Formats: sequence, C-alpha cells, structure tokens
Amino acid sequence: QKEVEQNSGPLSVPEGAIASLNCTYSDRGSQSFFWYRQYSGKSPELIMSIYSNGDKEDGRFTAQLNKASQYVSLLIRDSQPSDSATYLCAVHAGNMLTFGGGTRLMVKP
Amino acid sequence: DTGVSQDPRHKITKRGQNVTFRCDPISEHNRLYWYRQTLGQGPEFLTYFQNEAQLEKSRLLSDRFSAERPKGSFSTLEIQRTEQGDSAMYLCASSLAGAWATNYGYTFGSGTRLTVV
Repeated sequence: QKEVEQNSGPLSVPEGAIASLNCTYSDRGSQSFFWYRQYSGKSPELIMSIYSNGDKEDGRFTAQLNKASQYVSLLIRDSQPSDSATYLCAVHAGNMLTFGGGTRLMVKP
Repeated sequence: DTGVSQDPRHKITKRGQNVTFRCDPISEHNRLYWYRQTLGQGPEFLTYFQNEAQLEKSRLLSDRFSAERPKGSFSTLEIQRTEQGDSAMYLCASSLAGAWATNYGYTFGSGTRLTVV
C-alpha cells in the first residue's frame, strides 16, 4: 500500500471554478504536509504547507488538514488555465518527504 | 546563490555506460536529497545527506548507484552500468535540518533527465 495516495486524474474544471484536490496518507506520525505544483517537464514547486488541523489560506489556494482522517486537500479558487499542472501531495515524517503520485489538473478556458 | 542547481539538464547514454550527475544546493542548506521521478509518478526518495554524511538510503538505491557529498557542499550521483529502467528525472533538493525541513519543505533543482538507449 502506497504511503501517500492521490487520484491521478485528470481533473478537469472550467476556468473560474474551484478545483478540489485530495490526498490521504498512512503514517500517523506525519508532522507536516505540503502541496507542490509541477508543470510538464519541470521540477516540483512548493505552493502550500500545513501542519495543524483546519484550513490555511494563501491567495487563491486553501490547504485543509484532518489528521484524524489522515486527509489533506487543496482548493484552488478562480482556477486559471495557468493552473493546469500536476499537483503533488507530500508528507514529512521522520527525515524525508514522501510524495503521492500526483493529480493532473486541467483548467479549460 | 538563488536556488538548487543541477547539471547536466539532460543526459542520453547507451545502456551499460556510467553517468554522473551533480547537484549544488542552496549554500546555507546542510541537507541534500536525491529523488527519482518516472513519467506519471511522484518523486521517489533515493538518499539524503546532512553535511557530508549520508544518513539514509532507500532500498531503491541498488549497488549500481552511489552518491557522495565530499565537503558537505555539492553532491554527485553516479549510476554504473546503466539500464533502460534507469531512465527518469533525477531531482536534487536541499533544506536546513530539523524544524526547517518540517515546516518549510524542500527546494528542488531543475532536475537531470536521463535517457538510456
């Protein structure tokens, strides 16, 4: 069983809509949680981090964490075509980040 | 120093050849990580260093792979006797140790894309 699970997608949303990306993890000792964005052929870029249960907002992005359910999500409001990318959920436990397989998001004009 | 640098960006090699990649981390970062990413998958952890000490290696890292960070600054990843299955993007990342990594994650380089033909 993979330690960090994501739906591979593609998730297709119209421009201006809310995109909702989800992630579950297996290690209850996980300390912090990250969302990276990766454009095709490029390296991952950190967009959000969250450590405590609840919501954390940064511009159009909101990360949500529920440690009891071992669930992390990322909401992207007012989605733009430039948001089309693969979104990687990463979990920090011990001394390393463990990544999910990523969800491909497509925002259609 | 504005980021993590990796060299080369692309490498095409014939099966059975040896290849070496270099990573220069953010200068004040004492931790350096190597990940491998294949198409459609998330990055997979290979190994990490704190300063010059290699502290953890994944079981993905076969005997053909070796990594060094001799002076605690740049790192090299060597693959001997390459196989077609080694074709992937090799990503290097750096961070400060401890709470920094927990709170701020890692900064990734642009990666080295290896193609074994």
